[in-house]
Amino acid sequence: AQSVTQLDSQVPVFEEAPVELRCNYSSSVSVYLFWYVQYPNQGLQLLLKYLSGSTLVKGINGFEAEFNKSQTSFHLRKPSVHISDTAEYFCAVSGQGGSNYKLTFGKGTLLTVNP
Amino acid sequence: SQTIHQWPATLVQPVGSPLSLECTVEGTSNPNLYWYRQAAGRGLQLLFYSVGIGQISSEVPQNLSASRPQDRQFILSSKKLLLSDSGFYLCAWSVGSGADTQYFGPGTRLTVL
Repeated sequence: AQSVTQLDSQVPVFEEAPVELRCNYSSSVSVYLFWYVQYPNQGLQLLLKYLSGSTLVKGINGFEAEFNKSQTSFHLRKPSVHISDTAEYFCAVSGQGGSNYKLTFGKGTLLTVNP
Repeated sequence: SQTIHQWPATLVQPVGSPLSLECTVEGTSNPNLYWYRQAAGRGLQLLFYSVGIGQISSEVPQNLSASRPQDRQFILSSKKLLLSDSGFYLCAWSVGSGADTQYFGPGTRLTVL
């Protein structure tokens, strides 16, 4: 079984500042890792995912994340945020191998970008 | 292209009433289908998933049930709603197993009074 911890429930930042949203996971098997974004009263949209290969993954809207196996982390970063990045961000994990169709989500981090 | 629909968008129901939420996917065949519930401050909880018609896996014992009468249709039901059933219900689909992206519908906001 897998679990995900998002260390910050809320992150307020000013426009054009950098941001990092933290995610740690626990798993007894190798994993795939995902970041999703949810705008108010909408479904979730994939930002990026790590499957294998380069540990630095680039996604949409200028976001990137780095997989760190030794620290079991997958932190999300953006060098300069915009007002439109205000949303809730979810980290998720899926175990590799077998018939594993399930994602385990963290509790989410609400990013608020202020002018 | 693929699209996913959920209805209704919002629903207010009294305690003890029945529930039926519907999700349909267009533009793909034999998708995996999922129902999640999102409650404030609790992230997304997987309720049910289905890898084929008539195949339903339940993740959390509760007051809800799911059915998949057609390949691209997934229904969430309850015979008698509880206050604790309030939340934002999301349907999602994917093709393949764990590495594949799940694509989410717009959600249904359910309030049980």
